[in-house]
Amino acid sequence: AQTVTQSQPEMSVQEAETVTLSCTYDTSENNYYLFWYKQPPSRQMILVIRQEAYKQQNATENRFSVNFQKAAKSFSLKISDSQLGDTAMYFCAFMKAGGTSYGKLTFGQGTILTVHP
Amino acid sequence: SAVISQKPSRDICQRGTSLTIQCQVDSQVTMMFWYRQQPGQSLTLIATANQGSEATYESGFVIDKFPISRPNLTFSTLTVSNMSPEDSSIYLCAGCRGVYENTEAFFGQGTRLTVV
Repeated sequence: AQTVTQSQPEMSVQEAETVTLSCTYDTSENNYYLFWYKQPPSRQMILVIRQEAYKQQNATENRFSVNFQKAAKSFSLKISDSQLGDTAMYFCAFMKAGGTSYGKLTFGQGTILTVHP
Repeated sequence: SAVISQKPSRDICQRGTSLTIQCQVDSQVTMMFWYRQQPGQSLTLIATANQGSEATYESGFVIDKFPISRPNLTFSTLTVSNMSPEDSSIYLCAGCRGVYENTEAFFGQGTRLTVV
């Protein structure tokens, strides 16, 4: 079974600064996907960024980028130029690629990020 | 990505009653799932909604308590039966489709359920 660990229950950052959220995972699988989701108070789960394990290049989406270290089983999220709208709960998630577990997400505990003006 | 419309967005229910939550996807998806998010906690998978057949439940969840239907590739319902205050949670449906770099995993807006 897979496990995902987010060791930072809460983080805060000043507007326009950079913050990094940590995530580690444990799996015996070689092919999988990793995700970061944002959940604002509206409850909607919003996909922030996705990484395919077979890709060595780190994924980037505008102000969001990841540091994917497959050997270390680490998947951190860096948010640059933080904005007030980035305030939310952030979840790291794991999905096996294919097989009977296709589509099932295993989530970390979440990190509450607060961006201060 | 695809859009999932989930309703109701919230409800307050009496203990002992049942509530059915609906999810409609705007296009066909391979897989649909139901998650529970207890207050202040992470998401836990309840079950996989299988099209045209019985859902596959995760450990700790049973069909009598959480009956699920999925009559086609774009629609699913979750019923929370014989509710108690411990069932107060956010319930989210999710869809998944595609492979490799096209893999998408997306969510409905969630249903906040309060049982009194």
